Amino acid sequence: DAGITQSPRHKVTETGTPVTLRCHQTENHRYMYWYRQDPGHGLRLIHYSYGVKDTDKGEVSDGYSVSRSKTEDFLLTLESATSSQTSVYFCAISESPTGTNTGELFFGEGSRLTVL
Amino acid sequence: AQKITQTQPGMFVQEKEAVTLDCTYDTSDQSYGLFWYKQPSSGEMIFLIYQGSYDEQNATEGRYSLNFQKARKSANLVISASQLGDSAMYFCAIQAYGQNFVFGPGTRLSVLP
Repeated sequence: DAGITQSPRHKVTETGTPVTLRCHQTENHRYMYWYRQDPGHGLRLIHYSYGVKDTDKGEVSDGYSVSRSKTEDFLLTLESATSSQTSVYFCAISESPTGTNTGELFFGEGSRLTVL
Repeated sequence: AQKITQTQPGMFVQEKEAVTLDCTYDTSDQSYGLFWYKQPSSGEMIFLIYQGSYDEQNATEGRYSLNFQKARKSANLVISASQLGDSAMYFCAIQAYGQNFVFGPGTRLSVLP
């Protein structure tokens, strides 16, 4: 199993408060991603990183920011949480496809965030 | 842009029977990969099977096979001899070369004893 841990796994917070989710990997993979999962939408990409300090927006990036100061850590921050950000958040990692590697995503266990 | 369509929100199958989960995709890229993931009720995302756009043979992994019809842009997942533990959400995804993954909305499979 890929070494990916997310913290916290569960969090309840109030509207307007800042929240930071952490993703830590031990695989030294180049690419890291944050997704949110909501019923009927599958997984939607929030932000991704292709290297230390190299990040970019995904399709649902409004209200979120990220940072990657080390290869192994990718932080997702909600500056001022809203009820619409109640969701399950998944971190994922991958490497570029090669002859023997399909480039599949490896996922963390997920973090359930509830914003009241 | 890439898009994945999974038209079956929910499916039922009898234990030990085979089941096909539909996935159609849209992309203008010639080089891409198609992936299936399983999400059991415990919540983790499990990679099942991969099909490359240039692969001539359909991918197989144990009881999982991928019915890849490139001209129709479909990549259906076939599970043979269903087991109770196959009950889960199943997601189809596409990754065009150099681009990010795009996931479908998923199909919930329930295996009946």
